[in-house]
Amino acid sequence: QSVLTQPPSASGTPGQRVTISCSGSSSNIGSNYVYWYQQVPGAAPKVLVYRNNQRPSGVPDRFSGSKSGTSASLAISGLRSEDEADYYCATWDDSVSGPHVIFGGGTKLTVL
Amino acid sequence: QVQLVQSGAEVKKPGASVKVSCKASGYTFSRYGMHWVRQAPGQRLEWMGWINGGNGITKYSQKFQGRVTLTWDTSASTAYMDLSSLRSEDTAVYYCARVPLGQLGHFDFWGQGTLVTVSS
Repeated sequence: QSVLTQPPSASGTPGQRVTISCSGSSSNIGSNYVYWYQQVPGAAPKVLVYRNNQRPSGVPDRFSGSKSGTSASLAISGLRSEDEADYYCATWDDSVSGPHVIFGGGTKLTVL
Repeated sequence: QVQLVQSGAEVKKPGASVKVSCKASGYTFSRYGMHWVRQAPGQRLEWMGWINGGNGITKYSQKFQGRVTLTWDTSASTAYMDLSSLRSEDTAVYYCARVPLGQLGHFDFWGQGTLVTVSS
C-alpha cells in the first residue's frame, strides 16, 4: 500500500516558525485533500487542519496547512512548549482495490 | 457534546479474536462514518476500515480484509470492531474515529483508544 513520507523529527525554539513536510504521489496527495493531526503522548490524535488548509474551530491560527502537487506542509508559527508532540499527515489513496486512508510516518516536534 | 467511549484494555492469546466497542453519543450517527485506526508501539497510525452510518456499508483495508469485521448496534449507539486470528503484531492501541460522510480522512472526533495486547 502507498505511504506518505514525513521527516522523523523537527525542532525549534519558542517563537520560531517550523514547517513539517509530507510527500506522496498522484494517487493520494496529488488528487485528494490532506489532513494534519497532532498527537501528544498517551492521547488520541487531534485534527489540526482539514481539506488542505482549513482549521477547525478552537485550533490557533498559528497552525496552517498548504498543498502543492504531490506534497503538503504544516507550518507552526510562534512555537510554544505545548506544541511538542507528534504530527501526522493523512489523505486517502485511490488504488485499484478501492479508496483507503493512509497516514504519514509522523514527525516528532521538539521545542528546545 | 460528541463523545466516543471505548471499551477497556484486552489481553489475548495468539489465534484468538478480540471485539472492541465504541459507544457514540451527542450526534446523529447516520450522518457520519465510523472508522477504526490502530497504532502499534512506536509505529504510524494505520487505517483498518470504516462503516457508513447512513447505510451500514463497510469498507476494509486490504491488509485486514478477511480478519476484521465492523458492525453497528443502533439500539445501543455502539460500533464494534472484531479482529480475528490475532498475532503478536496486532498488539496496538485501537481507536474509533468519526468522519463526516464525504470527507474521507477527516477524523474530527476520536475515542480514547483501547490497548490490545497479544501474547502467549
